Amino acid sequence: DAGVTQSPTHLIKTRGQQVTLRCSPKSGHDTVSWYQQALGQGPQFIFQYYEEEERQRGNFPDRFSGHQFPNYSSELNVNALLLGDSALYLCASSLGGTVQQNIQYFGAGTRLSVL
Amino acid sequence: AQSVTQLGSHVSVSEGALVLLRCNYSSSVPPYLFWYVQYPNQGLQLLLKYTSAATLVKGINGFEAEFKKSETSFHLTKPSAHMSDAAEYFCAVSDWSSASKIIFGSGTRLSIRP
Repeated sequence: DAGVTQSPTHLIKTRGQQVTLRCSPKSGHDTVSWYQQALGQGPQFIFQYYEEEERQRGNFPDRFSGHQFPNYSSELNVNALLLGDSALYLCASSLGGTVQQNIQYFGAGTRLSVL
Repeated sequence: AQSVTQLGSHVSVSEGALVLLRCNYSSSVPPYLFWYVQYPNQGLQLLLKYTSAATLVKGINGFEAEFKKSETSFHLTKPSAHMSDAAEYFCAVSDWSSASKIIFGSGTRLSIRP
């Protein structure tokens, strides 16, 4: 049973460019959350998708957007990249409900470097 | 607003010694609390979670944590450290109002000395 898979594993972009990160949830999961983990910091919640809609959003600008497909996979898009967007981007999947009821399973992440 | 504070960005213990990683939380409503572990180049793995049942929570790999409301703490312990425990550990909080969002602390790196 495949866990949460993310692609690509590493990515290098320059300032002002746009990037798309992808996530496939664990089999049977219908909810995908995205987190940004800067070097030496804990993950910060970006947003969560459920039933193809954004259910909750953290304190991130509109440059960060996402999408969930009918097969529950998800994309994170970041426009007009800034140096400060360099981080490990983590995807977590769960089965509906709330975080208290269901465990969020994390992927290994995509390491984004903005030059 | 919810938050967690992890005391000590780096903790080093000898193999076989007690592991104690400290976490204090701030929440205006009863919290749900978590400990996650992150091994190098891997995602986060849930060690244990507190959801207002028992105050002493047992997790995987011999770890446990005790919820102390009076001290607003949720410290993680393990009686005897193994070399394989070396990793980054994150304390996290959520509550019923945020539903989906988990707020993480800044992490504590645990090193094990032979």
